[in-house]
Amino acid sequence: AQSVSQHNHHVILSEAASLELGCNYSYGGTVNLFWYVQYPGQHLQLLLKYFSGDPLVKGIKGFEAEFIKSKFSFNLRKPSVQWSDTAEYFCAVNALGDYKLSFGAGTTVTVRA
Amino acid sequence: GAVVSQHPSRVICKSGTSVKIECRSLDFQATTMFWYRQFPKKSLMLMATSNEGSKATYEQGVEKDKFLINHASLTLSTLTVTSAHPEDSSFYICSARGPGTTKETQYFGPGTRLLVL
Repeated sequence: AQSVSQHNHHVILSEAASLELGCNYSYGGTVNLFWYVQYPGQHLQLLLKYFSGDPLVKGIKGFEAEFIKSKFSFNLRKPSVQWSDTAEYFCAVNALGDYKLSFGAGTTVTVRA
Repeated sequence: GAVVSQHPSRVICKSGTSVKIECRSLDFQATTMFWYRQFPKKSLMLMATSNEGSKATYEQGVEKDKFLINHASLTLSTLTVTSAHPEDSSFYICSARGPGTTKETQYFGPGTRLLVL
């Protein structure tokens, strides 16, 4: 079974600052990787996903993530955050062909205006 | 596209009663749906995988007689919390496996907050 760890529990930053959220997984086989966002009072939305190909993937709202296979990492980045990026961010993994997702504990991001 | 709804959004019930939560895929057919439980400040815990027309597959530690899952059609799965107790109070979220080329992606419903008194 896969496990996912997110390094930061709570990140607080100012508008226009850069954001990077760490995500590492443990699994020996091929995986699909996801970042989901949960805005206050809303449901989880897919930010971006990696299945194969270019390890640098771009998602919605200016987010991107880089898959580094040797480090088992899939860190999320945004060069300049906005107040509206305040949300809970979840990294998730599933093994290729197994649709069950394993989630990290989540990172709360608070952006101060 | 790929919208998932849940009903109700919140429910309060007395201890000992049963509560049914519905999960619908609105604009696509979902052969597989998932039920999660989310505790405050915690991640999502997968409870079970619901397959249309067959029995649900429960994760280790989840009581199948407590959390009844029915996936009677390609757009509807239901979770029934039987004989609910205060410790069952939680946020229950469903997701549906995407159609076609998005089958490896899950689309999530807005969740149902259950409070058992």
